[in-house]
Amino acid sequence: KQEVTQIPAALSVPEGENLVLNCSFTDSAIYNLQWFRQDPGKGLTSLLLIQSSQREQTSGRLNASLDKSSGRSTLYIAASQPGDSATYLCAVRTDSWGKLQFGAGTQVVVTP
Amino acid sequence: GAGVSQSPSNKVTEKGKDVELRCDPISGHTALYWYRQSLGQGLEFLIYFQGNSAPDKSGLPSDRFSAERTGGSVSTLTIQRTQQEDSAVYLCASSQTSSGYNEQFFGPGTRLTVL
Repeated sequence: KQEVTQIPAALSVPEGENLVLNCSFTDSAIYNLQWFRQDPGKGLTSLLLIQSSQREQTSGRLNASLDKSSGRSTLYIAASQPGDSATYLCAVRTDSWGKLQFGAGTQVVVTP
Repeated sequence: GAGVSQSPSNKVTEKGKDVELRCDPISGHTALYWYRQSLGQGLEFLIYFQGNSAPDKSGLPSDRFSAERTGGSVSTLTIQRTQQEDSAVYLCASSQTSSGYNEQFFGPGTRLTVL
């Protein structure tokens, strides 16, 4: 059974510092991995999707890497800003129908 | 066009009542998913639709939960005889197809509180 883990559960950094968020999964047979952002009381915003054949994906200040063989993905956010404060969730897709298995998330606070 | 929309945004109901939650996916998206987010369980999958068919209902927690989709568009999640443990945020997502290359886009959710 696929297990998705995100460590740490919470993280606080000063503005300008780079953020490194970790996601690990137990079964390497995945179709893709998706990173989301969730603001309090809101739905999920898709940040990046990495296909199983890809090693990394970039969008602006965000970069996500994927090492399928070791069951790890890392989300890097460069030069963090207070507006980056949110909960970040990773999810892996493990079947052809698209069901996502989520981690519990990392709550990030960027202090001015 | 518009993103995924859900209604109502908040629903408070009494134990034992039935509730209906609605999801409008992004236009043209054939795949639709329901998830539930609760404090103790995190985010968990409920059901998947491809068109109007639901080939994967494996996440529905009990037979009090049902869902349908009509016209390959709007979906309704119905919870009968609600219990306090049903209190959660119910999220809907859609993707262009169910192929492995497609992102899922989420709606804002419906927060259900069962008193």
